[in-house]
Amino acid sequence: DAGITQSPRHKVTETGTPVTLRCHQTENHRYMYWYRQDPGHGLRLIHYSYGVKDTDKGEVSDGYSVSRSKTEDFLLTLESATSSQTSVYFCATKASGRGGSYNEQFFGPGTRLTVL
Amino acid sequence: TQLLEQSPQFLSIQEGENLTVYCNSSSVFSSLQWYRQEPGEGPVLLVTVVTGGEVKKLKRLTFQFGDARKDSSLHITAAQPGDTGLYLCAGVKTGNQFYFGTGTSLTVIP
Repeated sequence: DAGITQSPRHKVTETGTPVTLRCHQTENHRYMYWYRQDPGHGLRLIHYSYGVKDTDKGEVSDGYSVSRSKTEDFLLTLESATSSQTSVYFCATKASGRGGSYNEQFFGPGTRLTVL
Repeated sequence: TQLLEQSPQFLSIQEGENLTVYCNSSSVFSSLQWYRQEPGEGPVLLVTVVTGGEVKKLKRLTFQFGDARKDSSLHITAAQPGDTGLYLCAGVKTGNQFYFGTGTSLTVIP
């Protein structure tokens, strides 16, 4: 268990409002990821980070931004939430290195976001 | 369009039956993983396969990586209610970015 927490766990918001989701890890893992999960789509990568202040876009990054000012925290921001961003959001971490156990991602418990 | 397509999307079987889940792509991956996710929780890694043609067994679960490293399968023998969950494959292209499949929701009826 990589000690990953997400906050809030549930949030209901209105269209057009800004929303920030937080991921916190205690394992000192270098890599952190934000995914969204929707029925029929599995998990889709939004953004990921490969170090403090180092981030890159994933396959569904439009409408989302991220920040990583400390190793342990990775923030996902929806600048102006839309109903299409209603989803379950998962944070994941991975240790540095290649192959073997270094390829394992550890997931947080998820945040259920509803945009009305 | 997602890089990895899984089939079937939903599967409901009786306890004791066998089943196979497929994960297909037109892309080549350096490795492929299978995760299981239970309701209200994040996915948990089951296995990683690295070599084309590789077969790994985890008790009643058998995982195979295609020879061309574009596809994979998960076979469960004598399914049990505890196998119920969402199964996700994930392909790794570089060392640090993962592409998840569309998911297969399995229900095993006692």
